[in-house]
Amino acid sequence: AQSVTQLGSHVSVSEGALVLLRCNYSSSVPPYLFWYVQYPNQGLQLLLKYTSAATLVKGINGFEAEFKKSETSFHLTKPSAHMSDAAEYFCAVSSGSGGSNYKLTFGKGTLLTVNP
Amino acid sequence: KAGVTQTPRYLIKTRGQQVTLSCSPISGHRSVSWYQQTPGQGLQFLFEYFSETQRNKGNFPGRFSGRQFSNSRSEMNVSTLELGDSALYLCASSSRTGGAGYGYTFGSGTRLTVV
Repeated sequence: AQSVTQLGSHVSVSEGALVLLRCNYSSSVPPYLFWYVQYPNQGLQLLLKYTSAATLVKGINGFEAEFKKSETSFHLTKPSAHMSDAAEYFCAVSSGSGGSNYKLTFGKGTLLTVNP
Repeated sequence: KAGVTQTPRYLIKTRGQQVTLSCSPISGHRSVSWYQQTPGQGLQFLFEYFSETQRNKGNFPGRFSGRQFSNSRSEMNVSTLELGDSALYLCASSSRTGGAGYGYTFGSGTRLTVV
């Protein structure tokens, strides 16, 4: 079975400050890990994904995430927050073979607020 | 290239009715998945299709069904609508044989309101 825990349903940062959104996963086999962003009244946009290559993954809009197997974590960071980063962020995992490989299990999401 | 297209964007239905939602994947993508998003339950997997075959199904009642056509377009149907079915329904497509390693591209969703 696979699961995702996002610590903090709401994170607030100042513009220009570091963004850190936490994600821990549970998987019995090596996982694929994803971060998605959702703006109001829109679908999900892929920020980045980990697929067992480099453990530090760079994504769009200056975001990156590091896969740490020993900590079962995949935290999302951005050095300097911009007002346009305000949105809801979802961590997701997919693992296993067969049917399990064809679905994403999402965390509950973290709403990021950026203050001027 | 065009993204994942979902129609309609908004729907209002009455309890007891049925509804059909449509999803056109990115050209060349053969895997289509459906997810339900609600404030209480978050994002939950409904089902996944590849080459007209359902490969995986989430934990939803039989009122929720889907299908995929030979051109990879997909529809999902919800019969006997309940108030709790009000949600954003998201479709995602994946390339080639699908699977998580290829990533998923999501559409903008269909907002279903049941009254």
